[in-house]
Amino acid sequence: AQKVTQAQTEISVVEKEDVTLDCVYETRDTTYYLFWYKQPPSGELVFLIRRNSFDEQNEISGRYSWNFQKSTSSFNFTITASQVVDSAVYFCALSEFDDMRFGAGTRLTVKP
Amino acid sequence: KAGVTQTPRYLIKTRGQQVTLSCSPISGHRSVSWYQQTPGQGLQFLFEYFSETQRNKGNFPGRFSGRQFSNSRSEMNVSTLELGDSALYLCASTMTPSGRGNEQFFGPGTRLTVL
Repeated sequence: AQKVTQAQTEISVVEKEDVTLDCVYETRDTTYYLFWYKQPPSGELVFLIRRNSFDEQNEISGRYSWNFQKSTSSFNFTITASQVVDSAVYFCALSEFDDMRFGAGTRLTVKP
Repeated sequence: KAGVTQTPRYLIKTRGQQVTLSCSPISGHRSVSWYQQTPGQGLQFLFEYFSETQRNKGNFPGRFSGRQFSNSRSEMNVSTLELGDSALYLCASTMTPSGRGNEQFFGPGTRLTVL
């Protein structure tokens, strides 16, 4: 069975602080995919990134960066110099052959 | 290209009633997945339909059912509503079955309130 754990239920930071959202996953498969989605107050989940299990290269996109470490089964997400618009619920998800499972989400609040 | 649409956006029902929610996937997408989102349980997978066939089902009682039509539009039905069914119901579409690394495209959700 696959499982995704986002231990941080809520995080609150002040604008311009850096913040890291943790994601730990469990799987027995060697081929799998990891995702991060953002859910703003409007409700619609927005795709941020996808990583396959064979690509451990970290990725940076503007203020966003992702650190994938198979040795610790983690796929953490860092926002640098956070902004109020980053306030949202962030979901980590694991996809194997058959379906996709989401973590419980981390609610990030960025205060001005 | 139009995104995933869900109707209605908001719904208020009373206990014991039934409800039907609709989801229209992105044109060309044949897979529709449904999720229930509640503050306490997060995003819970309900079921997935691909080419009018249910592929997967989450751990929900039989009161939750769904179907998919030949045009890929999907409906989910909840019978004998309970207070605990109050939630945001999200649907997501992919071109091929979910999993296999496919990115899911989500609709805005239907917020159901059961009184």
